Amino acid sequence: AQSVTQLDSHVSVSEGTPVLLRCNYSSSYSPSLFWYVQHPNKGLQLLLKYTSAATLVKGINGFEAEFKKSETSFHLTKPSAHMSDAAEYFCVVRGYNFNKFYFGSGTKLNVKP
Amino acid sequence: GAVVSQHPSRVICKSGTSVKIECRSLDFQATTMFWYRQFPKKSLMLMATSNEGSKATYEQGVEKDKFLINHASLTLSTLTVTSAHPEDSSFYICSAREEGKGHNEQFFGPGTRLTVL
Repeated sequence: AQSVTQLDSHVSVSEGTPVLLRCNYSSSYSPSLFWYVQHPNKGLQLLLKYTSAATLVKGINGFEAEFKKSETSFHLTKPSAHMSDAAEYFCVVRGYNFNKFYFGSGTKLNVKP
Repeated sequence: GAVVSQHPSRVICKSGTSVKIECRSLDFQATTMFWYRQFPKKSLMLMATSNEGSKATYEQGVEKDKFLINHASLTLSTLTVTSAHPEDSSFYICSAREEGKGHNEQFFGPGTRLTVL
C-alpha cells in the first residue's frame, strides 16, 4: 500500500527565511513522488516530481526536494520564502496502479512580512 | 502549459436536486480524467477514474449511482451529483492526464465548490 504523511498541518515562516515542509512516504516499491501547491481558488500546480532519477529534485519558484530512501522522506525546501509562497502544499505518491495519486493531508504555509 | 478548467466554480443547490460539473482539458487531449473530493481542511480523495468512451472506475465506497461520470470526448468529463444532500457538500476537483505523455503527471482543475442546502 502507498501513503504519504505530512507531518505539519501549518508552517509559519518570515519572508526571506528558509522553508521546510516535511513529507514521509510509505510504499512497497520504488515510488514516484510529487509536490503540488494549491493557492486559494486556484488549481493544484506541480512544483516538482521524483521518478527514480536524481534524488535531489529542483522545481519551480526555487523549491527543491530530496528523496531519501533510508528515511522514507521527501521533504520540500526553499532557501528564502517569498510572500507569494503562502499557499497549501500537498505531497503525493503515485500508486502502483498508475491511475492513483495518494495525497498527504496538506501543509498550509504562512509567510509573515 | 496544460490547462484544465472546471465549470461551475461554485454551485448552491437544494437538497434532492442534481448538479452537473464539467471538467475540460483546454489545450490537450485526455483519455483519462480523475475526480477527487476534498473535505474542509482535509486532503484530496480519489473518487473515480474517467476513461474516454468507457465506464468510469469508482473507488471503494463511492456510490456510482450517486456520482455519475461521463467522459464523452477527449477533452470533456462530467460529474453529476444526483439527488444531492447536504453531506455531498464539498470541493470537487478534476484532473487530466495528457494522452501519450505517460503516467507521471496529472493536471488539476481549479475545483468546484458544491453547497447543498
